[in-house]
Amino acid sequence: ETGVTQSPTHLIKTRGQQVTLRCSSQSGHNTVSWYQQALGQGPQFIFQYYREEENGRGNFPPRFSGLQFPNYSSELNVNALELDDSALYLCASSFFQGPNEETQYFGPGTRLLVL
Amino acid sequence: AQKVTQAQTEISVVEKEDVTLDCVYETRDTTYYLFWYKQPPSGELVFLIRRNSFDEQNEISGRYPWNFQKSTSSFNFTITASQVVDSAVYFCALSEAENYGQNFVFGPGTRLSVLP
Repeated sequence: ETGVTQSPTHLIKTRGQQVTLRCSSQSGHNTVSWYQQALGQGPQFIFQYYREEENGRGNFPPRFSGLQFPNYSSELNVNALELDDSALYLCASSFFQGPNEETQYFGPGTRLLVL
Repeated sequence: AQKVTQAQTEISVVEKEDVTLDCVYETRDTTYYLFWYKQPPSGELVFLIRRNSFDEQNEISGRYPWNFQKSTSSFNFTITASQVVDSAVYFCALSEAENYGQNFVFGPGTRLSVLP
């Protein structure tokens, strides 16, 4: 039990639609990262938010966007869904005090299917 | 560019056997961090191990001894006395220190099955 929750657990959308995925971090965690994990592959880093500002971004197009809120929750928004967006989306929260101390706690993920 | 390779796609062992998971990485950075995560069928990634590139001391005791060899860019870890509950996909990951946390790179994973 990591204390990180994600909603919804499963979601089905059609191509071209928009989707919002939510993550609730552990209290006090100032950093949240989002990952996309296609079936049978390792997670791919989408972006990270630190104190409500984007702190780094992986190789994902601008139609992937995010928000982090003061209440330790965050959102991942994906516009103009494509079939290849079908994946497990994981969020991870941490309290960043330096790389020697940080431990990421992952949520159970949201499985998105785009038809 | 960073890259993490896990050559072992699937491994099966019998309970109580030791099993070593291999990880080879590529990075241009001189300071970086390496990780092992476990992903059970429930889907959550569970943090197991973190090592800093400037600390090559290896853990040789405990249930998860690791072997970090900077000269060969390898970061292997062993599950000793494996249990059925260890069955999961194990991921090796890398983060460069300069942009720590801004670009975690994961390997493709090794699926471990521990048979009773």
